[in-house]
Amino acid sequence: NAGVTQTPKFQVLKTGQSMTLQCAQDMNHEYMSWYRQDPGMGLRLIHYSVGAGITDQGEVPNGYNVSRSTTEDFPLRLLSAAPSQTSVYFCASSYSSLAVQETQYFGPGTRLLVL
Amino acid sequence: SQQGEEDPQALSIQEGENATMNCSYKTSINNLQWYRQNSGRGLVHLILIRSNEREKHSGRLRVTLDTSKKSSSLLITASRAADTASYFCATPASGGSYIPTFGRGTSLIVHP
Repeated sequence: NAGVTQTPKFQVLKTGQSMTLQCAQDMNHEYMSWYRQDPGMGLRLIHYSVGAGITDQGEVPNGYNVSRSTTEDFPLRLLSAAPSQTSVYFCASSYSSLAVQETQYFGPGTRLLVL
Repeated sequence: SQQGEEDPQALSIQEGENATMNCSYKTSINNLQWYRQNSGRGLVHLILIRSNEREKHSGRLRVTLDTSKKSSSLLITASRAADTASYFCATPASGGSYIPTFGRGTSLIVHP
């Protein structure tokens, strides 16, 4: 199994541009989530999904959209990039929707720089 | 909001010493998990301890949980340079939530 994969690994955007961060898992996991990690802030939850067609907001959802059309994929869309969205983004998944009781499997991260 | 918070923020020790880091949380939990993050990498699960457990071991790791004090500790014995990483605790976003949230982490540096 490839586990959780994320693309791209690194991206530079200009303010106002849009882009999609890709996340995929091949473990048939129900739960998927997106975090951003900033220095001194730990990991903050952006959006999460408990199954195909079901998404919900986390702690810091503004400026981001998600969809879950398949079990495997959970893309994160930046609608109009802002410098405040410069961060490292991690995707994670777990077997069941009772995520807090499950091991979270993390992807390698996407480093995003917004100029 | 972050329910769990790790302490200290940073820890620097020599190889062979023990490293202890703590996690405090605010509301009741069913379990608590510890993760490690090597520089530039995603988090990796270390251990899960349930609310009815007081102590759990995994190799050189020992985790304790004190639900009365709403705190957990992670002890790494006989530290190695390879243990250099950040360590995070994961707790429910709020009482009864099934969504895990993470604290700011403890940055551990083990000097060879």
